[in-house]
Amino acid sequence: DAGVTQSPTHLIKTRGQQVTLRCSPKSGHDTVSWYQQALGQGPQFIFQYYEEEERQRGNFPDRFSGHQFPNYSSELNVNALLLGDSALYLCASSLQGRNTEAFFGQGTRLTVV
Amino acid sequence: GNSVTQMEGPVTLSEEAFLTINCTYTATGYPSLFWYVQYPGEGLQLLLKATKADDKGSNKGFEATYRKETTSFHLEKGSVQVSDSAVYFCALVMDTGRRALTFGSGTRLQVQP
Repeated sequence: DAGVTQSPTHLIKTRGQQVTLRCSPKSGHDTVSWYQQALGQGPQFIFQYYEEEERQRGNFPDRFSGHQFPNYSSELNVNALLLGDSALYLCASSLQGRNTEAFFGQGTRLTVV
Repeated sequence: GNSVTQMEGPVTLSEEAFLTINCTYTATGYPSLFWYVQYPGEGLQLLLKATKADDKGSNKGFEATYRKETTSFHLEKGSVQVSDSAVYFCALVMDTGRRALTFGSGTRLQVQP
């Protein structure tokens, strides 16, 4: 079982550019959540996808958008990058239902210059 | 809204010392509580969890008890090892409604030989 895999592991973008991050969930999982972890902080919830729809959203602007594919994999897109978007972006997968454990990937380190 | 407060770090201990990392929460309802661990350069790993009041989660020598009366979920270990050096995050999720994890800011533990 490969667990949750994210790509790329690192990338550097210029302010104003757009970026796409990718996530493959753990085998058998149908729900993907994205989190932003700024340096020295705890992860902050961005949004969650289930059945190819955004189900919940945290306090993030519309520049942050996502998608879930029929195979349950997901993408996070960020438009018009700001320096403050520099962070570790974590993907977590789970199975819909009560008290289901979320498994995290190793994250994508995004640096905006 | 829901929130999690952790003691600030870093916490520096000698090997075999006793560890306590304090965590308190604020929630409207009855959350499930978690401790996650993040080793350098890695994503989050679930360390232990408790889903109702008075439950004790335990794993790898770590323990935490869900105390509803004090809204706390303190992490303890009787004898730490150098390999326990990491950042520890307390988190909660509501059993209904939003399933997004709410994290504390993390506590860095440094164990010296």
